[in-house]
Formats: sequence, structure tokens, C-alpha cells
Amino acid sequence: AQSVTQPDIHITVSEGASLELRCNYSYGATPYLFWYVQSPGQGLQLLLKYFSGDTLVQGIKGFEAEFKRSQSSFNLRKPSVHWSDAAEYFCAVGAVSFQKLVFGTGTRLLVSP
Amino acid sequence: DAGVIQSPRHEVTEMGQEVTLRCKPISGHDYLFWYRQTMMRGLELLIYFNNNVPIDDSGMPEDRFSAKMPNASFSTLKIQPSEPRDSAVYFCASSLRRGTYNEQFFGPGTRLTVL
Repeated sequence: AQSVTQPDIHITVSEGASLELRCNYSYGATPYLFWYVQSPGQGLQLLLKYFSGDTLVQGIKGFEAEFKRSQSSFNLRKPSVHWSDAAEYFCAVGAVSFQKLVFGTGTRLLVSP
Repeated sequence: DAGVIQSPRHEVTEMGQEVTLRCKPISGHDYLFWYRQTMMRGLELLIYFNNNVPIDDSGMPEDRFSAKMPNASFSTLKIQPSEPRDSAVYFCASSLRRGTYNEQFFGPGTRLTVL
């Protein structure tokens, strides 16, 4: 069965600093991987996705993520964080044959001035 | 496109009452998902449908919960009777399968409070 681990519950980053959010997955085959963002009181919005090909994927709002099969990781990065990036971020894994996704527990990003 | 629409956005009810949450998926999407989000358990998949047919309801917590999808543009999640521990944000999401592609689009959620 698929599973996702986001080891950091909260992260605080200064505005303008770089960001990396960690995600580790467990799945026996090639996974489909996603990062979603949830702003307060809102639903989840897709930031980026990885299905195959280039292991570095670009998403919206200046985010990128790198798929590392050897480490079973799909970490989210941004070179310079803006105050508006404060939100909760969810990593998710999907199986090739199934439409449902398994989500991690989320990482709450706080941005300090 | 209007996106996934959920109603109501907020619901406050008393223990024992019946609660019905509604969802309108994105037109043309063939999958619909119901999730529950709580601080303790995070985001949990309750049930999902394909072409209006329930595929996997293993996440439905107990018999008090039921979900239906009478047509491609409407689904309901019902809790009867409701209990305080059902208080959560309930999300509906939809997707369109293109080969193995399964990006889900989420609605804004319904915040349920059971007193």
C-alpha cells in the first residue's frame, strides 16, 4: 500500500529565504507524486506533479520539486519565499492503476518578516 | 469553469441531527472523491465514485455515514445521526482520467460543527 511521510509538522522561514519541504513516499512501483497547497479556509490547490521523465518538475508560484527514486523522496523547494506562501503543504502519492491519492499529514509553513 | 462546488460552506448542528453535504463536480469529470480533514487524523479519503458508481468506501467511518451520486453532476454525503466527533472539514474533489492521469481538483470544503 502507498504511504507518504512529511516529517516536519511546522516550518518557519524568513521572507526572502529559501525553502525546502520534505516528503518521503512508500510505493512498490513508479509512483505518481503531487504537491498541494492549502491556504487558510480554502480547498487544496495543485502546485505540481510528477508522472515520469525529468525528475525536476516546475510548478506554479515559483515552486519546484525533485523526484529521487533512490531516496524515495519528492521534496518541494522555492528559492525565495514570499509572505503569501504561508499555508499548509501536502504531499500525495497515487498509484498507476488507481485514481485515489494518499496524502501526507501536511507541513504548515510560517513566514516571518 | 466554476470548479468544484460544495454546499453549505458552514454547517452547525446538534448531536443526533441528520446532516447532508452536497457537491457538484467539474463538468465532464468522471471521478468524485469525498475527504474529511481533522487536526488529529489529517486528510482522509472517505469514498470515491467512478461514473456515479461507488468504487471504494473503505474509508467511511461507520454506518452513520452514507454517500450517493445519483447523476454525474451531483453527490451527497449524509451523516445520520451526527455526533460531536464528526466535526471536521469535508472536502469534495473531482478528476478526469486521461490514461493514468489523476489530478484531483478540490472544492472549498464544508466546515461541520456538531454540538
